[in-house]
Amino acid sequence: DAKTTQPPSMDCAEGRAANLPCNHSTISGNEYVYWYRQIHSQGPQYIIHGLKNNETNEMASLIITEDRKSSTLILPHATLRDTAVYYCIVRVAGYGGSQGNLIFGKGTKLSVKP
Amino acid sequence: DTEVTQTPKHLVMGMTNKKSLKCEQHMGHRAMYWYKQKAKKPPELMFVYSYEKLSINESVPSRFSPECPNSSLLNLHLHALQPEDSALYLCASSHGPYNDAEQYFGPGTRLTVT
Repeated sequence: DAKTTQPPSMDCAEGRAANLPCNHSTISGNEYVYWYRQIHSQGPQYIIHGLKNNETNEMASLIITEDRKSSTLILPHATLRDTAVYYCIVRVAGYGGSQGNLIFGKGTKLSVKP
Repeated sequence: DTEVTQTPKHLVMGMTNKKSLKCEQHMGHRAMYWYKQKAKKPPELMFVYSYEKLSINESVPSRFSPECPNSSLLNLHLHALQPEDSALYLCASSHGPYNDAEQYFGPGTRLTVT
């Protein structure tokens, strides 16, 4: 089963920041937080991942709370093309083993509206 | 080239047919994956290949038979499928067996079993 909890849906106005929360209260010390998204009729796309520090790349920022029990994915200026299902996944770092598998939960369906 | 290609895009097959799905990547990745995604559900892991050897089989029925003929190719052979096997079949690849590697997904093959 997925180890994360996300709201089923969110709306965001085009051009505004989209803040997608994720709860992972049972996360272990060696588990990373990953975010993927899936635009309709496409394969999932990697966005960002982190262990405990905040991370930023060209797509998004990832804010992880100090206790690591929750995180927020931030899309700074959402566009219509960001409409997708966003998946928050926790997985073990290291070599081999099924604990490193991507276990997708239900995700959050983000709708960006004009 | 950061692309994973899958053929065919769509496939309709009868329950007595034998067909194969093909996945290809030229990123030098040594881990490749098959996922199954039913309508309005998240992707579910089926198989993991690491260095052309099957490392994980998530209790998938034997009517699905994976094959990794070389480091760039991954096949999924289908035989005697049931209508409930209709789904989007996604292929993914990553650099290696280490679990912090980003997975790159193909667009999927949409399979309909009649």
